[in-house]
Amino acid sequence: GAVVSQHPSRVICKSGTSVKIECRSLDFQATTMFWYRQFPKKSLMLMATSNEGSKATYEQGVEKDKFLINHASLTLSTLTVTSAHPEDSSFYICSAEVPAPGRAELRETQYFGPGTRLLVL
Amino acid sequence: AQTVTQSQPEMSVQEAETVTLSCTYDTSESDYYLFWYKQPPSRQMILVIRQEAYKQQNATENRFSVNFQKAAKSFSLKISDSQLGDAAMYFCAYRSPYLNSGGSNYKLTFGKGTLLTVNP
Repeated sequence: GAVVSQHPSRVICKSGTSVKIECRSLDFQATTMFWYRQFPKKSLMLMATSNEGSKATYEQGVEKDKFLINHASLTLSTLTVTSAHPEDSSFYICSAEVPAPGRAELRETQYFGPGTRLLVL
Repeated sequence: AQTVTQSQPEMSVQEAETVTLSCTYDTSESDYYLFWYKQPPSRQMILVIRQEAYKQQNATENRFSVNFQKAAKSFSLKISDSQLGDAAMYFCAYRSPYLNSGGSNYKLTFGKGTLLTVNP
């Protein structure tokens, strides 16, 4: 399959500070990456779609100025949680889609990073 | 908009037995992709199996197979010879082949998940 890494795996920060999470596709180039948030025992909630070289597309209800997304290269997207508050504490997961054309069994399929657990004190 | 329904919040199976997880979806599109993802306690989302709607043949990956019924909009996952390592939350997901109306990319629509317990 395709491999996606995410860093850091866990971060604890003070309220009011900013936190950056990195998502990398390790063995393929991803023109599109996705950022999700997941609450305990719940499904994934899409926050935004990140496109290389262009502005991210945010889902309804997600604050653009709060969650800054940058997709500077074909293998790296970053999510910055600005002025974090305790209610931002959550599990954040990124994914990258193998674009078409590509290996037939992999393309147009999202592969996920291991996630980042954010705790804001 | 597409919806994905997993009607079984929890399931359990004895080790070495077979279990089937249900998934139904609603769409007006004729071509699309369906996926099953597994999320073990580590919370890493792992692709289990992928099905392209235009393919009539059911996808299989080792002990995992699907029963894809396009007319019924059903996409169940069968796990044979269940192992302790299969214990996880399983999510069914739908992907359209088309850009959505907002012009953004091909989002996945997830079901709420089924928590599978494997008993030794």
